[in-house]
Amino acid sequence: RKEVEQDPGPFNVPEGATVAFNCTYSNSASQSFFWYRQDCRKEPKLLMSVYSSGNEDGRFTAQLNRASQYISLLIRDSKLSDSATYLCVVGHSGNTPLVFGKGTRLSVIA
Amino acid sequence: ETGVTQSPTHLIKTRGQQVTLRCSSQSGHNTVSWYQQALGQGPQFIFQYYREEENGRGNFPPRFSGLQFPNYSSELNVNALELDDSALYLCASSLVSNSYEQYFGPGTRLTVT
Repeated sequence: RKEVEQDPGPFNVPEGATVAFNCTYSNSASQSFFWYRQDCRKEPKLLMSVYSSGNEDGRFTAQLNRASQYISLLIRDSKLSDSATYLCVVGHSGNTPLVFGKGTRLSVIA
Repeated sequence: ETGVTQSPTHLIKTRGQQVTLRCSSQSGHNTVSWYQQALGQGPQFIFQYYREEENGRGNFPPRFSGLQFPNYSSELNVNALELDDSALYLCASSLVSNSYEQYFGPGTRLTVT
């Protein structure tokens, strides 16, 4: 079983739609949680960190449920420019690396 | 842009050859991590270098090795290339070794034929 599992996708949605991505992680010692965005043939870029209290950045809302070991990302009012792969990422303590999920591809269609 | 640079951008090698990939970290960052991203997969951690020492390693064989230089730039070396080594190789720099804030370079796309 992969340490970080995401919806397999792809998600094809019309402009203006609301889309939700789900992610689960298996290591209960995980301490930090992130969503990264990766455009085709580009490097991953940090979209937002995820906190237990939930956090929002414009049209993007991230939630963390530590008890269920579950992370979500909600995108409201999807734009064409939101088309990308969204990577769920988990960090542990100390010098261990970031652990990435496989990613979920989103295509927003006009 | 993150300020992390990688070279070359693309590379084609044949099976059995050796390759060296280079990364310059963001100014002031003393830690570099290397990741391998195969097509359709998320990045997989290879190893991390902190102050010129290896500081953690993922599940990669010894033919994957690295170096970090006094200016904190880094190299990834892969010996005896295999077809499955074809991937995007990403380096990420961070201010300290245990920081979750990692800044990725644009990557080197390696194709092994």
